[in-house]
Amino acid sequence: GIQVEQSPPDLILQEGANSTLRCNFSDSVNNLQWFHQNPWGQLINLFYIPSGTKQNGRLSATTVATERYSLLYISSSQTTDSGVYFCAVPHTGTASKLTFGTGTRLQVTL
Amino acid sequence: NAGVTQTPKFRVLKTGQSMTLLCAQDMNHEYMYWYRQDPGMGLRLIHYSVGEGTTAKGEVPDGYNVSRLKKQNFLLGLESAAPSQTSVYFCASSQGDTQYFGPGTRLTVL
Repeated sequence: GIQVEQSPPDLILQEGANSTLRCNFSDSVNNLQWFHQNPWGQLINLFYIPSGTKQNGRLSATTVATERYSLLYISSSQTTDSGVYFCAVPHTGTASKLTFGTGTRLQVTL
Repeated sequence: NAGVTQTPKFRVLKTGQSMTLLCAQDMNHEYMYWYRQDPGMGLRLIHYSVGEGTTAKGEVPDGYNVSRLKKQNFLLGLESAAPSQTSVYFCASSQGDTQYFGPGTRLTVL
């Protein structure tokens, strides 16, 4: 099956700093999603981004499908950005089944 | 809209006991999924459903059964719990490509 790798595995930032998280995948995909899991465990869908760039406030994401990677940018980080960021891509076939990466754990400190 | 809800939030079982986790969604989504999340890992798909009355196996289906008798509900059953099933279980639903997750159920098997 498709392999999804994320880097870095852990990241510590001071509040206000910017960061870039990377997601590499081993096969062509027509869909990629970024999720944030907050410290209470809730998973929130950030972006559905099969290709191109999208922005939502301080967060933006870019997927280059032909080169099999996606980037999540966090600008002016805040403590509420802490948590684990996952990218996920679909299995082949129907039903939008997702394969998740192992995540990037982000800690934003004061 | 409540979105996706899961019952219970926490449970402790002894080896060999059985239990059922309930997932409910009020978004009229066709697709529903059960995932498990283990420490340091992303989510792995257990079973999924593409509509009322249908179920299918995901990546890690052994030891679990599911049922989708009503469109809004997706049940995950453990017939004889094992310590290896200690995990956090997430339910999700989708209509298109974006998945929406419940808050999770933390299950400990002693």
